Amino acid sequence: DAGVTQSPTHLIKTRGQQVTLRCSPKSGHDTVSWYQQALGQGPQFIFQYYEEEERQRGNFPDRFSGHQFPNYSSELNVNALLLGDSALYLCASSLAPDTDTQYFGPGTRLTVL
Amino acid sequence: DQQVKQNSPSLSVQEGRISILNCDYTNSMFDYFLWYKKYPAEGPTFLISISSIKDKNEDGRFTVFLNKSAKHLSLHIVPSQPGDSAVYFCAASANTDKLIFGTGTRLQVFP
Repeated sequence: DAGVTQSPTHLIKTRGQQVTLRCSPKSGHDTVSWYQQALGQGPQFIFQYYEEEERQRGNFPDRFSGHQFPNYSSELNVNALLLGDSALYLCASSLAPDTDTQYFGPGTRLTVL
Repeated sequence: DQQVKQNSPSLSVQEGRISILNCDYTNSMFDYFLWYKKYPAEGPTFLISISSIKDKNEDGRFTVFLNKSAKHLSLHIVPSQPGDSAVYFCAASANTDKLIFGTGTRLQVFP
């Protein structure tokens, strides 16, 4: 049973560039949430996708956008990268949007120079 | 505004002893609480959860206690094992809304 997978594992970008991160949910899960974990902090909720639509959004600017595909996989896009966007980006999946227990992938480490 | 707080950044416990990790919250609307464990280079792994209608939930060596009046929960690990060494995150949600995480406590279990 494949768990949540994310790609790439590491990424280095420069300020002003754009980045796309990818996530495949755990088998049978249809809801994907994205989190940003800065160094020394807990994960912070970015947004959640269900039925290919953004269902909830945290306190992140519009530079952060996402997409969910019919196979439930998801992308996180960040435009106009800032140094402060350097973080571990985690994807989590769940059986349904109203399910509290989420299963996390290993994350993508983004470094902005 | 940190709604979920883990005031101890680190904890060191001898193998076989009890580990107690604490978490405080400020939002009285939170009705579901979870603990996650995170090893380096891995995503958080779900450990145990508790609904606000309960005050205790047990799963093997792990027990979570919830004190709603004090807005406090704790995770007890008995007996602690070296493989338990990791960062532990407390998380909470209100009415199946987004998860709010604490800043984590690094547990080290030494022989």
